[in-house]
Amino acid sequence: GAVVSQHPSRVICKSGTSVKIECRSLDFQATTMFWYRQFPKQSLMLMATSNEGSKATYEQGVEKDKFLINHASLTLSTLTVTSAHPEDSSFYICSALPWRGGTDTQYFGPGTRLTVL
Amino acid sequence: KQEVTQIPAALSVPEGENLVLNCSFTDSAIYNLQWFRQDPGKGLTSLLLIQSSQREQTSGRLNASLDKSSGRSTLYIAASQPGDSATYLCAVSNTNAGKSTFGDGTTLTVKP
Repeated sequence: GAVVSQHPSRVICKSGTSVKIECRSLDFQATTMFWYRQFPKQSLMLMATSNEGSKATYEQGVEKDKFLINHASLTLSTLTVTSAHPEDSSFYICSALPWRGGTDTQYFGPGTRLTVL
Repeated sequence: KQEVTQIPAALSVPEGENLVLNCSFTDSAIYNLQWFRQDPGKGLTSLLLIQSSQREQTSGRLNASLDKSSGRSTLYIAASQPGDSATYLCAVSNTNAGKSTFGDGTTLTVKP
């Protein structure tokens, strides 16, 4: 089956630093990837849609200058949390939509837990 | 805007019971609906995917049904086991563009 990986799985950083999270589709190409955020005991909220070769589309209320998304290839999207603060601590999950020219569903990565001290 | 609601928010049952988790959505023009399991501190495990043209899907002890016209889906778990304890999330996609709207989940505890 389709596999999506995320790296790192867990990261702890100091307030004010930037953190990059990678999302890779391992055995398929994905022109579209999605980034979700999950706060403790809450559900997943879509942050942005990442399209290969073009700018990401951000959901309302998500700061595009704080959460930088780059989708440079058909198998890799990155999310950079810039100048991270404790309130950015969360579980970040990506998903990838296979590019097969037909109907399909998205496959989710295992998530990255970010803790900002 | 699609809204997804899951009831109950939490459920505790003794081992061996059959149980039903509910998911409702406001916009019935969906593309597909997916049920996930999430263990504490972990990512998502896809359980069942129902396309809009389908009425149900089955995998082992799990059965998911879909009634688009009423905006509802149910996840039926037969003969529950302590290992089934987790949070179950329902996610709805309105297009084949992929992005999903998630419910808040039902946290299931199965007691030995």
